[in-house]
Amino acid sequence: EAGVVQSPRYKIIEKKQPVAFWCNPISGHNTLYWYLQNLGQGPELLIRYENEEAVDDSQLPKDRFSAERLKGVDSTLKIQPAELGDSAVYLCASSLRGGQQETQYFGPGTRLLVL
Amino acid sequence: AQKITQTQPGMFVQEKEAVTLDCTYDTSDQSYGLFWYKQPSSGEMIFLIYQGSYDEQNATEGRYSLNFQKARKSANLVISASQLGDSAMYFCAIFISGGYQKVTFGTGTKLQVIP
Repeated sequence: EAGVVQSPRYKIIEKKQPVAFWCNPISGHNTLYWYLQNLGQGPELLIRYENEEAVDDSQLPKDRFSAERLKGVDSTLKIQPAELGDSAVYLCASSLRGGQQETQYFGPGTRLLVL
Repeated sequence: AQKITQTQPGMFVQEKEAVTLDCTYDTSDQSYGLFWYKQPSSGEMIFLIYQGSYDEQNATEGRYSLNFQKARKSANLVISASQLGDSAMYFCAIFISGGYQKVTFGTGTKLQVIP
């Protein structure tokens, strides 16, 4: 079974430019997460989807970040415009909603460098 | 709000020895899950083990076991017979189930296995 797929794996952009990350979750997983991970820190949740609905976006900086999950499968996270402080790893994870144990399975992440 | 504390920024262990990575948590919720993830230098978060708040027995997965002490709010990871491939960052996370699901990761512990 294929795992969570993310692309691109690496991205280098200049500040003020837009950037987008794509995530394809594990087949059948209805919950999708986007995390930001700074160097030496744990992942921080940006947004969580259940199917097409963003059920928790309280930590998403909405002035420059946006996300969508059309049709409840793939998801895109966008930053516009990017700032130097956005340099980090962006992780996508998915899980199957239901039951207490909702193990999240992570993709390889996208390493973003803003110059 | 829930909180995860990992007090050991770095740990060393001799190959073939056992090691314990500490994790304490704070939540007022009764229903929650505790997870441990491994993150090697490649960056991908790998699920290791899960413990539910209502589970009476400590979870075990191969060489990994979780020492769950609910009254003390601790969920330490024990790795037996350490291998060189165990060198990585290890993250503890708490997942609050129920209507308003929340997930929080700790800051991680860097484990280095010495030959």
